[in-house]
Amino acid sequence: DAKTTQPTSMDCAEGRAANLPCNHSTISGNEYVYWYRQIHSQGPQYIIHGLKNNETNEMASLIITEDRKSSTLILPHATLRDTAVYYCIVRVNNNDMRFGAGTRLTVKP
Amino acid sequence: DTEVTQTPKHLVMGMTNKKSLKCEQHMGHRAMYWYKQKAKKPPELMFVYSYEKLSINESVPSRFSPECPNSSLLNLHLHALQPEDSALYLCASSQAPTGWPLHFGNGTRLTVT
Repeated sequence: DAKTTQPTSMDCAEGRAANLPCNHSTISGNEYVYWYRQIHSQGPQYIIHGLKNNETNEMASLIITEDRKSSTLILPHATLRDTAVYYCIVRVNNNDMRFGAGTRLTVKP
Repeated sequence: DTEVTQTPKHLVMGMTNKKSLKCEQHMGHRAMYWYKQKAKKPPELMFVYSYEKLSINESVPSRFSPECPNSSLLNLHLHALQPEDSALYLCASSQAPTGWPLHFGNGTRLTVT
């Protein structure tokens, strides 16, 4: 399985866009990029996933580079409630989802 | 609120006790998962059940015994645990073995004394 590299921590001002990068240079053609987040004292929450194309839903946008070696999760208008650990995971399928260290995002007033 | 319900929320047990963690979902999902999470670490996969059959066991010690009585329920039986087993135990479910996304409960915080 492809390994992912994420910054350990990031800060973002409330109301601004939060851009969380993820490197996955060894990704293979049939592996999806998944994003989850974990707010303190809660279970992880699915955010979005994609294969090749950029994706958008009510929570976030996922931008995948053309060579698929990296991606960026975008929270368009970060709020204090978006403070969490964000996990980027590359998997062929969902049935043995393994989490890396993730990025701790702190949204500041 | 989460659609995956885990009970109890907190559990304190001695090393000679036997206890069980319970997980329930009513979304019709046919895959269920146990994860273990130590403080400030990512969740670690323990077990995966697919259509009520154990499909993945990540070399978990036998003092942890999973059970899937039906498609809505998942148990984790605990016996002779060690203090280092203290952690947050998370249950998740998904539509099918390769379905997405995983829906997580909020976990059981276990303390072994």
